[in-house]
Amino acid sequence: GQQLNQSPQSMFIQEGEDVSMNCTSSSIFNTWLWYKQDPGEGPVLLIALYKAGELTSNGRLTAQFGITRKDSFLNISASIPSDVGIYFCAGLNAGGTSYGKLTFGQGTILTVHP
Amino acid sequence: EAGVAQSPRYKIIEKRQSVAFWCNPISGHATLYWYQQILGQGPKLLIQFQNNGVVDDSQLPKDRFSAERLKGVDSTLKIQPAKLEDSAVYLCASLRVRTGELFFGEGSRLTVL
Repeated sequence: GQQLNQSPQSMFIQEGEDVSMNCTSSSIFNTWLWYKQDPGEGPVLLIALYKAGELTSNGRLTAQFGITRKDSFLNISASIPSDVGIYFCAGLNAGGTSYGKLTFGQGTILTVHP
Repeated sequence: EAGVAQSPRYKIIEKRQSVAFWCNPISGHATLYWYQQILGQGPKLLIQFQNNGVVDDSQLPKDRFSAERLKGVDSTLKIQPAKLEDSAVYLCASLRVRTGELFFGEGSRLTVL
């Protein structure tokens, strides 16, 4: 089956630093999604990417859909303590028998020191 | 719009007992998912419904797990009998087809003793 490799597994940074994480896949996705999950909560969508090469921003977050459609990255600028959590990339298929199937990366645990 | 509703939030049972989780997706979302998330891992798809039909249940342990969505709206996931390794958060999600976004509920945390 499809697998997503997400890195790094964890990050420990100082408040104010920028953060970058990425995902690579062995196969193509139609949509890339980035989620954040706080303890005890379900994942919450941060950014959705629909086209190869697309670069999208949401406040301090920037994400890109790789040209090959097999990778994506997420950047967080000027991190703040509330950025702490687990970040997941996810690839979505939109065609054929895999319609609507979302595959998750393993997650990046972000810790921000004040 | 109201989000995905799940219940119960927490459940503690002993091994070999049974448990059921309920999910009500966002109104109008035809595609519904159940995911299992073990601590420290990303969510793993258990089953995907399109209306009341099963699209993908290839990773559902069918000897002990079952799920249904009889009227194409809310859904239940049942585990019988539970094993220790079933301890996890069970997440329900529904799909907004127009944007390809999945919306998750808060999850049901199961502890099997």
